[in-house]
Amino acid sequence: GQNIDQPTEMTATEGAIVQINCTYQTSGFNGLFWYQQHAGEAPTFLSYNVLDGLEEKGRFSSFLSRSKGYSYLLLKELQMKDSASYLCAAMDSNYQLIWGAGTKLIIKP
Amino acid sequence: DAMVIQNPRYQVTQFGKPVTLSCSQTLNHNVMYWYQQKSSQAPKLLFHYYDKDFNNEADTPDNFQSRRPNTSFCFLDIRSPGLGDAAMYLCATSRGGSSTDTQYFGPGTRLTVL
Repeated sequence: GQNIDQPTEMTATEGAIVQINCTYQTSGFNGLFWYQQHAGEAPTFLSYNVLDGLEEKGRFSSFLSRSKGYSYLLLKELQMKDSASYLCAAMDSNYQLIWGAGTKLIIKP
Repeated sequence: DAMVIQNPRYQVTQFGKPVTLSCSQTLNHNVMYWYQQKSSQAPKLLFHYYDKDFNNEADTPDNFQSRRPNTSFCFLDIRSPGLGDAAMYLCATSRGGSSTDTQYFGPGTRLTVL
């Protein structure tokens, strides 16, 4: 079956760095997406990886290892506004997104 | 600005009373999706349209129907809402047909069933 695993909740301190991990199992693979979702709002696109390695975009970076079925989202210089859920989604061979349940990130002052 | 719009943002309906949620897009994307998302859960794909081609997920209840009268608009009809249908309903769009196909979401409609 197809499956996405990510931690349910994480806590970090303002100004620090946090890494949110995601493992996936899909029928075929066409890329890995990360979305940010604030409470009561829609997901917003953060990053897309299809090749192995690290993609950096400002304070946020995303990493992919296809051989390990593993990705992480790295958030640097955490701000209070980064408190949100972070959803990992893998695209399968039919171009369908398989979604994780999201990691709720709590930022403390 | 090009965007995905959902109306209404909040919808309250009675148990068993039909309700329609709407979505429109100015991105001129080929694909439109409807997701259901309950608290602390992953978005669950209900169905999607690739242009006029309708694709229903196998486990989407018959109670949920959709219409796409043109490229810009897509509707979600819930024929007889039950208490278990209370959720956030998300509309998303994408260009379609490639592995870099990013989905862009509207703000969502939160449905309450009384």
